[in-house]
Amino acid sequence: QKEVEQNSGPLSVPEGAIASLNCTYSDRGSQSFFWYRQYSGKSPELIMSIYSNGDKEDGRFTAQLNKASQYVSLLIRDSQPSDSATYLCAVNPGNQFYFGTGTSLTVIP
Amino acid sequence: NAGVTQTPKFRILKIGQSMTLQCAQDMNHNYMYWYRQDPGMGLKLIYYSVGAGITDKGEVPNGYNVSRSTTEDFPLRLELAAPSQTSVYFCASSYGSGSGVGYTFGSGTRLTVV
Repeated sequence: QKEVEQNSGPLSVPEGAIASLNCTYSDRGSQSFFWYRQYSGKSPELIMSIYSNGDKEDGRFTAQLNKASQYVSLLIRDSQPSDSATYLCAVNPGNQFYFGTGTSLTVIP
Repeated sequence: NAGVTQTPKFRILKIGQSMTLQCAQDMNHNYMYWYRQDPGMGLKLIYYSVGAGITDKGEVPNGYNVSRSTTEDFPLRLELAAPSQTSVYFCASSYGSGSGVGYTFGSGTRLTVV
């Protein structure tokens, strides 16, 4: 069983729509959860972190965490073509982070 | 503030050659990591370090070695390069685990073994 699982996509949404990205994890001891955005040929960049159940909002991004269901999601409101990238979910149960394989998002103008 | 600096950005190696990928951070982070990323495979942890003089294996350590003599530097050594080591390598650092603070990644090294 993989530590972190994401749908690989591709996920396509029209400009202005809400994009919903999902992630599940296996280690119930995980305390910190992260979403990274990676443009093609570039390194991952941190966009959101969350470590309490519920929602955390930052601009157009909302991270949602449900530890009972071992589920993390990222919502992107008013999606823009510049949001087209691969989104990586990462979970931190101890000394290292485990990454999902990423979901490719395309925002269609 | 440079963050995490990786060199070189690109390299082509012949089978059997050796090389060192350099990684340096100026944020006084204790934790440093080396990942490789293959197309569609996500990030795989090679080695990590929780402080100077302390290193540990990750998920895919075979064919690699590391050292951590200072807080700032965490070089990755490839011995006897093989085509399977063709990949993009990322170095990352963080203050610590479980702190709610994510990684800072370097810009990556694209390595091709021919």
